[in-house]
Amino acid sequence: DQQVKQNSPSLSVQEGRISILNCDYTNSMFDYFLWYKKYPAEGPTFLISISSIKDKNEDGRFTVFLNKSAKHLSLHIVPSQPGDSAVYFCAARNSNYQLIWGAGTKLIIKP
Amino acid sequence: EAEVAQSPRYKITEKSQAVAFWCDPISGHATLYWYRQILGQGPELLVQFQDESVVDDSQLPKDRFSAERLKGVDSTLKIQPAELGDSAMYLCASSLGDSYYEQYFGPGTRLTVT
Repeated sequence: DQQVKQNSPSLSVQEGRISILNCDYTNSMFDYFLWYKKYPAEGPTFLISISSIKDKNEDGRFTVFLNKSAKHLSLHIVPSQPGDSAVYFCAARNSNYQLIWGAGTKLIIKP
Repeated sequence: EAEVAQSPRYKITEKSQAVAFWCDPISGHATLYWYRQILGQGPELLVQFQDESVVDDSQLPKDRFSAERLKGVDSTLKIQPAELGDSAMYLCASSLGDSYYEQYFGPGTRLTVT
């Protein structure tokens, strides 16, 4: 079973505060997890990744946390900025090197 | 910065007609992917190429969809005949190779079948 789930279709956060986006998965054999960001009328763009052997990866305002026992990962954005308003996809790489995608979470940053 | 090119950006067609989408990956990228994304869902892989060879087309509805990458560079995805349920965003992505997890996406083609 290979599923990636993003259970929150949307999230609204005040500018300057922390945004936390969540993702759950079913297959313990996924070896990489990725977050992509998508603006309207554009293709997804790679944001940050984490290997399954790590529990944290940080890149500027973006940090991804992986909890393997819970099969859960989260993306933290601190501080949130208006330009962060987009749809965020979580994806996991399977043993065939293919990405399995979640349904996305629409993040809205309020001024 | 190198980008994945796709055309057309938008396509409206009547059901039972044929449509074709084109993708030009980033130069040097051996692996090319076609995805379909329905509104409110994540991208779904339709077909994966390694150079000119199909690696995986298990999710491609082969009775109406076809894909080719004849010279291992650009690619065409065709639907014939189009059905109402084919309305979606068709995304092309490329990567250096299939072991590279980062995929680079084009802007997509929004297909509406009426």
